[in-house]
Amino acid sequence: DADVTQTPRNRITKTGKRIMLECSQTKGHDRMYWYRQDPGLGLRLIYYSFDVKDINKGEISDGYSVSRQAQAKFSLSLESAIPNQTALYFCATSGWDKAYNEQFFGPGTRLTVL
Amino acid sequence: KQEVTQIPAALSVPEGENLVLNCSFTDSAIYNLQWFRQDPGKGLTSLLLIQSSQREQTSGRLNASLDKSSGRSTLYIAASQPGDSATYLCAVRVDDYKLSFGAGTTVTVRA
Repeated sequence: DADVTQTPRNRITKTGKRIMLECSQTKGHDRMYWYRQDPGLGLRLIYYSFDVKDINKGEISDGYSVSRQAQAKFSLSLESAIPNQTALYFCATSGWDKAYNEQFFGPGTRLTVL
Repeated sequence: KQEVTQIPAALSVPEGENLVLNCSFTDSAIYNLQWFRQDPGKGLTSLLLIQSSQREQTSGRLNASLDKSSGRSTLYIAASQPGDSATYLCAVRVDDYKLSFGAGTTVTVRA
């Protein structure tokens, strides 16, 4: 089984709808991240969490919120989806080793907002 | 702000040719650099991670070099195969957690 899983894998929704993307991991990592990827651009960080009680905004957090339900679960919500939030969304995890800190990614969720 | 650039955006080579993928970054104060492979529907797979104190890392047919002073990394893939067709991303870690990504190079290996 995959170490980092994301649900759903694909989602089409309409403008104004609330959407939740879910991420689960079995790597035992404390740190979890949400990124979005747009064509021709690198991945950009939306939110990150160092543990259940530590949640931080990334570089593009406007229009998004997150919930860390447990060490293994980190959800991303779009409160009122808009078309420019159409993108590929990735969840990632990492350990806390300052020098190494390799990040491991889920398979992604393709979100289309009409 | 760290800027990461990968040129070219796309590359097509015949099977058996060696692949050379480039990554450049503007700020040499990095912790490490990671190369990823992205396949449609399968997310990102980490290929190699080079610490800032290292010059290169090797795994099988893959070799990645790092020149921090010039802000460059190169990923070499020897004897390319059609299965190497994918998008390759590089990312530099600039602090305790943040990765700055390039936009990627999409590689097609022709049989």
